[in-house]
Amino acid sequence: TQLLEQSPQFLSIQEGENLTVYCNSSSVFSSLQWYRQEPGEGPVLLVTVVTGGEVKKLKRLTFQFGDARKDSSLHITAAQPGDTGLYLCAGARGKLIFGQGTELSVKP
Amino acid sequence: DTEVTQTPKHLVMGMTNKKSLKCEQHMGHRAMYWYKQKAKKPPELMFVYSYEKLSINESVPSRFSPECPNSSLLNLHLHALQPEDSALYLCASSHHFGTGAYNEQFFGPGTRLTVL
Repeated sequence: TQLLEQSPQFLSIQEGENLTVYCNSSSVFSSLQWYRQEPGEGPVLLVTVVTGGEVKKLKRLTFQFGDARKDSSLHITAAQPGDTGLYLCAGARGKLIFGQGTELSVKP
Repeated sequence: DTEVTQTPKHLVMGMTNKKSLKCEQHMGHRAMYWYKQKAKKPPELMFVYSYEKLSINESVPSRFSPECPNSSLLNLHLHALQPEDSALYLCASSHHFGTGAYNEQFFGPGTRLTVL
């Protein structure tokens, strides 16, 4: 049973476009973390959201935690080729529950 | 120091070999983790150590044997692996293990393992 549904799984866009990645669950999480991973490297933590309704911004990235702490979204404004990678959401319930990942490709 | 280090970066081994993966962190974290990751898939949890005691074994085959010699070090001993065990093995650490809101996990760069 997949507790955390992440979508889309693949996304190929042109430089300068905006995009949103979603993570949805029927379960409540104490926190939700977003990671970015490049090929052959480990996931790098981008942000942790804790409070329902919380919005955090990291330069062109905006992260939101749902009011009920069951879902989250990542919005990237004016995507750049350097944003290319695998984006993972992970909900904390003791251990981390990962979504399936979103493979993002930003073409120049 | 805010990083998790892993050695070796790459490892190629035969099915009869014995090898070990090493992980180290100096952030004072008391929880450490081993994950296995296949290409373009999320990491799969293998083991969790909390205060140097094994807390979770996710039904991992006995050919993988974890060890936590102290709070900064985590090893994964490998013996008689199968080709399907080829993957990226990731180590991670967090302040504590549990349901605390800020138990963010920090990952190392991984060891790319190939079993021939």
